[in-house]
Amino acid sequence: GAVVSQHPSWVICKSGTSVKIECRSLDFQATTMFWYRQFPKQSLMLMATSNEGSKATYEQGVEKDKFLINHASLTLSTLTVTSAHPEDSSFYICSARVAGGIYEQFFGPGTRLTVL
Amino acid sequence: GDSVTQMEGPVTLSEEAFLTINCTYTATGYPSLFWYVQYPGEGLQLLLKATKADDKGSNKGFEATYRKETTSFHLEKGSVQVSDSAVYFCALSEVSGAGGTSYGKLTFGQGTILTVHP
Repeated sequence: GAVVSQHPSWVICKSGTSVKIECRSLDFQATTMFWYRQFPKQSLMLMATSNEGSKATYEQGVEKDKFLINHASLTLSTLTVTSAHPEDSSFYICSARVAGGIYEQFFGPGTRLTVL
Repeated sequence: GDSVTQMEGPVTLSEEAFLTINCTYTATGYPSLFWYVQYPGEGLQLLLKATKADDKGSNKGFEATYRKETTSFHLEKGSVQVSDSAVYFCALSEVSGAGGTSYGKLTFGQGTILTVHP
């Protein structure tokens, strides 16, 4: 149980285009989802916290207008990278916290974004 | 702010060797501590956790003890297997909410790559 999927697993796009990444909790409801960014050989950095039905809370230094997050249902959150540039190339990981859960976040497998 | 520092990798061991991955933390409050593991091609999975001082988390032969006096949460395993090859992340989360009923964001260490050879 507690499986989180991400789609796509990898994407290559041209500079200036927008890319949408989906994060789904497959067998549980997630009131809170988190989006992380991971650079090579570096740790995961939290970008934003997404609560179902409300606006996402972004970490300091993360551009809200560039990384649009929507959490429209208890099983789906999306991250849209708008007007992507090569410096946005990274590994994006989502996690979901079970509704009413205390400790654990369940992580998706990640999405590799390459912007040419 | 909160931070987690992990032992630099990569770590390469032979099967059945003893493993230690060091982790120290800095926190303003009284955090809970976690070890996550990421196997190749998979998402992070919670390996073990400890929520208060002197607690020992354990799972799959791995152990870590919450040491408040040294602000450490070192991961150990007595005999590693090839299947333990993965990236290991130490993390902390501050407690928030009434009665400690909810947890805030996770702060991760930089990850340690472990490779175990037959």
